[in-house]
Amino acid sequence: QQQVKQSPQSLIVQKGGISIINCAYENTAFDYFPWYQQFPGKGPALLIAIRPDVSEKKEGRFTISFNKSAKQFSLHIMDSQPGDSATYFCAASRLISSGSARQLTFGSGTQLTVLP
Amino acid sequence: NAGVTQTPKFRVLKTGQSMTLLCAQDMNHEYMYWYRQDPGMGLRLIHYSVGEGTTAKGEVPDGYNVSRLKKQNFLLGLESAAPSQTSVYFCASTNGRVGGYTFGSGTRLTVV
Repeated sequence: QQQVKQSPQSLIVQKGGISIINCAYENTAFDYFPWYQQFPGKGPALLIAIRPDVSEKKEGRFTISFNKSAKQFSLHIMDSQPGDSATYFCAASRLISSGSARQLTFGSGTQLTVLP
Repeated sequence: NAGVTQTPKFRVLKTGQSMTLLCAQDMNHEYMYWYRQDPGMGLRLIHYSVGEGTTAKGEVPDGYNVSRLKKQNFLLGLESAAPSQTSVYFCASTNGRVGGYTFGSGTRLTVV
């Protein structure tokens, strides 16, 4: 049961173009939606995140758009650069029943290639 | 540099062998997690800990055991490795704040 669905699986964009990755979730208990960037041989690193009471968040060239009613959110990378080539994961966070620990549920990942 | 350190980085096991993966963090984080990453499936939570001496099951706990005897260390054990456990394993820690996960660089495990 995949609670967070991510598309596309792979994406090729020309330098300077816009990269768009989409995610959809099912569980309304999720209350925080981060995006992670992962380079080969490295662990995921937090890129940008949004709470469901906000429709958009922008940090530099990276923007998250959030549609609570549709239970969808997306990552937009403006002016994409070859250095952005990596795997991107959307995730959704919710409280776990024990203590204040949180569980991150990840999408399946998008491999982005930005051509020079 | 502060962070999460995983050992070993690579390992090849034969079916039925056992091993322990070590995760160490020096950020005084309360919460620690073990994930496995498989192609096309993202990262899935195996076990987690909300503090020293505590452990709990995640999404895919079967075939794994964990221990958190010291706050800074979280061990993942495979008692009898199976080829289905071939994966990349990531440890993460957080102080409980939303989004503040720090991941290690992973352990690539192959079971033949």
